[in-house]
Amino acid sequence: EAGVAQSPRYKIIEKRQSVAFWCNPISGHATLYWYQQILGQGPKLLIQFQNNGVVDDSQLPKDRFSAERLKGVDSTLKIQPAKLEDSAVYLCASTLGLAGGLWFFGPGTRLTVL
Amino acid sequence: AQTVTQSQPEMSVQEAETVTLSCTYDTSESDYYLFWYKQPPSRQMILVIRQEAYKQQNATENRFSVNFQKAAKSFSLKISDSQLGDAAMYFCAYRSLFAGGGADGLTFGKGTHLIIQP
Repeated sequence: EAGVAQSPRYKIIEKRQSVAFWCNPISGHATLYWYQQILGQGPKLLIQFQNNGVVDDSQLPKDRFSAERLKGVDSTLKIQPAKLEDSAVYLCASTLGLAGGLWFFGPGTRLTVL
Repeated sequence: AQTVTQSQPEMSVQEAETVTLSCTYDTSESDYYLFWYKQPPSRQMILVIRQEAYKQQNATENRFSVNFQKAAKSFSLKISDSQLGDAAMYFCAYRSLFAGGGADGLTFGKGTHLIIQP
């Protein structure tokens, strides 16, 4: 079974520029999550999708971050404009959405904002 | 909101020895899941072990076992016969079982960096 795919793996941008990350979950997984992991910290949930609807975006900085999952499969996370403190690894994870279901994480995208 | 605390930023152990990583959490819920994840330098999160709060029996996966103390809200990970491949960041995580609206994102601790001395 293919895993969670993410691209790009690395991205370097200047502050105030825009950037987008892509995630393709495991086929059939209804629930998709985006996490931000700042160096030296644990991942922090940014947003949770159930199919193409948002379940939880309480920790998403909505003034600069946006995410979508239009067809309930792939998802895109965008930052516009980026700040220095956005430098982090952005992890995508997916599950079937069942209680007790296993989580599968992608390899992450490492963003550096200069 | 739930919080997860890992009080050991770094631990070191000799190869083939046993090491225990600590984790405490705070919640008002009675049913939930707890996890230990391993994150090597490749950044891939790998599930090590999980525990359902309603189960009194401690989970075990080969060389990995947990000591789950529900009343104390403690969830430690014991790694026996440590191997060089065990070197990584280890994260303790909490997941609500019946969160409102279906929100069930994992809450992670800050992690413990495990070093294996050959």
